[in-house]
Amino acid sequence: DQQVKQNSPSLSVQEGRISILNCDYTNSMFDYFLWYKKYPAEGPTFLISISSIKDKNEDGRFTVFLNKSAKHLSLHIVPSQPGDSAVYFCAASERGAGSYQLTFGKGTKLSVIP
Amino acid sequence: GAGVSQTPSNKVTEKGKYVELRCDPISGHTALYWYRQSLGQGPEFLIYFQGTGAADDSGLPNDRFFAVRPEGSVSTLKIQRTERGDSAVYLCASSQGRGTDTQYFGPGTRLTVL
Repeated sequence: DQQVKQNSPSLSVQEGRISILNCDYTNSMFDYFLWYKKYPAEGPTFLISISSIKDKNEDGRFTVFLNKSAKHLSLHIVPSQPGDSAVYFCAASERGAGSYQLTFGKGTKLSVIP
Repeated sequence: GAGVSQTPSNKVTEKGKYVELRCDPISGHTALYWYRQSLGQGPEFLIYFQGTGAADDSGLPNDRFFAVRPEGSVSTLKIQRTERGDSAVYLCASSQGRGTDTQYFGPGTRLTVL
């Protein structure tokens, strides 16, 4: 049973436009959420995180939004650049329960077209 | 500084054989994690070490899988009697201290069981 779902396997966006990647979760105990980016043959690279006490966190071109009532989060990349082309993973953990393992979604492959 | 390193980068073995996968965490990181990523899936948690001890091994799929971290630094994931279903990329991550710190991933070891 997938507790973290990324329903779009792929997304194509024009360079300079906004990329919006979505993630849904089912476990209401999740209280910390992260986005990782992965290039082929490399390990995932941490991008940005958000605690469940917040609804928005911003870092440069990357913003993560959390809607707890809908159990939904999204990653916005503005403006998108060709170097952003990668697979993006949403992940969650139950820090409040003392669990630090990350539960990942299946990923969304983002292609930014020059 | 150096990131998380994993050796070997690729391992091909025959069904029934024993394999060892090694992880060198970032220097000074006391927390270490193992994940497994199968084709088309996100990483799945296997085990988490805090120092030398396994703080959470709830993700290990069965007793063929075992991991050690005898001196609180390098870790070895050991798989006995390998099966074709064990074929995956095995990822290691480390974090600075508490399990709440950001997890930094290595490039992974691609295991293929023939």
